[in-house]
Amino acid sequence: GAGVSQSPSNKVTEKGKDVELRCDPISGHTALYWYRQSLGQGLEFLIYFQGNSAPDKSGLPSDRFSAERTGGSVSTLTIQRTQQEDSAVYLCASSLDANQPQHFGDGTRLSIL
Amino acid sequence: GENVEQHPSTLSVQEGDSAVIKCTYSDSASNYFPWYKQELGKRPQLIIDIRSNVGEKKDQRIAVTLNKTAKHFSLHITETQPEDSAVYFCAFMDTGRRALTFGSGTRLQVQP
Repeated sequence: GAGVSQSPSNKVTEKGKDVELRCDPISGHTALYWYRQSLGQGLEFLIYFQGNSAPDKSGLPSDRFSAERTGGSVSTLTIQRTQQEDSAVYLCASSLDANQPQHFGDGTRLSIL
Repeated sequence: GENVEQHPSTLSVQEGDSAVIKCTYSDSASNYFPWYKQELGKRPQLIIDIRSNVGEKKDQRIAVTLNKTAKHFSLHITETQPEDSAVYFCAFMDTGRRALTFGSGTRLQVQP
């Protein structure tokens, strides 16, 4: 596709369940980022992947959050034992390389009941 | 950690007037400063960016200025139109994390 693709677009789940969010970056982009946006707030950095290198996990809010990127392309963000405070829009972005313009997907709106 | 302060949080202008949004950042090593526009329920869209080797960049009705000494950068929108109404976020590249740190956003309302 032409842009960053994320799925699902919406996810509603019960507290305590695990969720997986998917991001398909723009073809050829080596850098991939996950951000979180709570209602009416700015974007909070979660994790950064550069090619096949070990990711920068410094933004992950707790050890319930993890992410992987297979083959340097598609990424999945996993949240285990979800809590109500995890409710937010999770946005993925990609760029040609580090320090290049980042382009965002439409996000996954996660609601924890 | 590194941070950025963005002002004002809300801005209302009449159609045709100019709008200015200002940001102050903390990472003195940063060399990349983008601005994003986000309409309600939509993805953030990159509207303009500037690197530290220039002080100003323009694209039609939009301009960005950068003062590296003072660690300030600003977005200027001239001849505003109702479709400019959105939330605008400034950001800078955090050289430690190599990810963007975002401001808290400015809600711009252009009154027709």
